[in-house]
Amino acid sequence: DGGITQSPKYLFRKEGQNVTLSCEQNLNHDAMYWYRQDPGQGLRLIYYSQIVNDFQKGDIAEGYSVSREKKESFPLTVTSAQKNPTAFYLCASSIGGQTDEQFFGPGTRLTVL
Amino acid sequence: GNSVTQMEGPVTLSEEAFLTINCTYTATGYPSLFWYVQYPGEGLQLLLKATKADDKGSNKGFEATYRKETTSFHLEKGSVQVSDSAVYFCALSPTSGTYKYIFGTGTRLKVLA
Repeated sequence: DGGITQSPKYLFRKEGQNVTLSCEQNLNHDAMYWYRQDPGQGLRLIYYSQIVNDFQKGDIAEGYSVSREKKESFPLTVTSAQKNPTAFYLCASSIGGQTDEQFFGPGTRLTVL
Repeated sequence: GNSVTQMEGPVTLSEEAFLTINCTYTATGYPSLFWYVQYPGEGLQLLLKATKADDKGSNKGFEATYRKETTSFHLEKGSVQVSDSAVYFCALSPTSGTYKYIFGTGTRLKVLA
C-alpha cells in the first residue's frame, strides 16, 4: 500500500533537547510538507520541499530545520530554539501540481517536558 | 494575499440532520479547492475537491460546489451520521503554484445519536 508514515506516534523530550521527527512516503511524490497543529487550531506550514535537495521556509520555520536528501524522506528537527514545541506535527506530500491534493501522514504528537 | 475563512464551530447536529459548513476564500485567478476531514488523533484525509469554477466535488454523501461569483465552497451533506463527527478543513491551492496550500482553521462537527 502506498502512503505516508510518520514515526513515532508519540514523542516525549526534555526541554532543551533537539528531536527529529521522521516522515517517509512511497507515493513517488515530488513535494513534501511539514505542518504544526495546536489544539483547536488550523494547520501552520513549517517547511516545504518541491524536489530533492531543495526546501523553503513556511510561515513558522524558526526553531525548526529539515533536510531532503532522498525523494521519499523529509525529516523535521525541532531544535531547542523552538520556544513552544509541544504540538501535533503533520507531514504531507503531493505530486506537485496546482490541482493535486496533499496526502497526510498520521501525525506525531510531541510533548516537551 | 490568499486566505480561507470557515464558519466557527463546534457544530452540533442530530443524526440524519442536514449539514452545511461554510467556506469562503480570497485568491487571484482560479485556485483549486479542497475539503479535508480529520478524525481525533489522526492526519487529514481528502474528502473532495474541485479544480475549476462550477465544478462539484462529491464523496461519501458530501458535496461542495466551486462558486467563483461568491468565492465560496460550502460543504453539504443531506443526512449526517454519528460517524461523521470530526473536524473539517477547507483548503485552497493557489493558481500561482507556490506549493503553499492555504488551510482554514477547521470546523468541528459533533453528531448526536
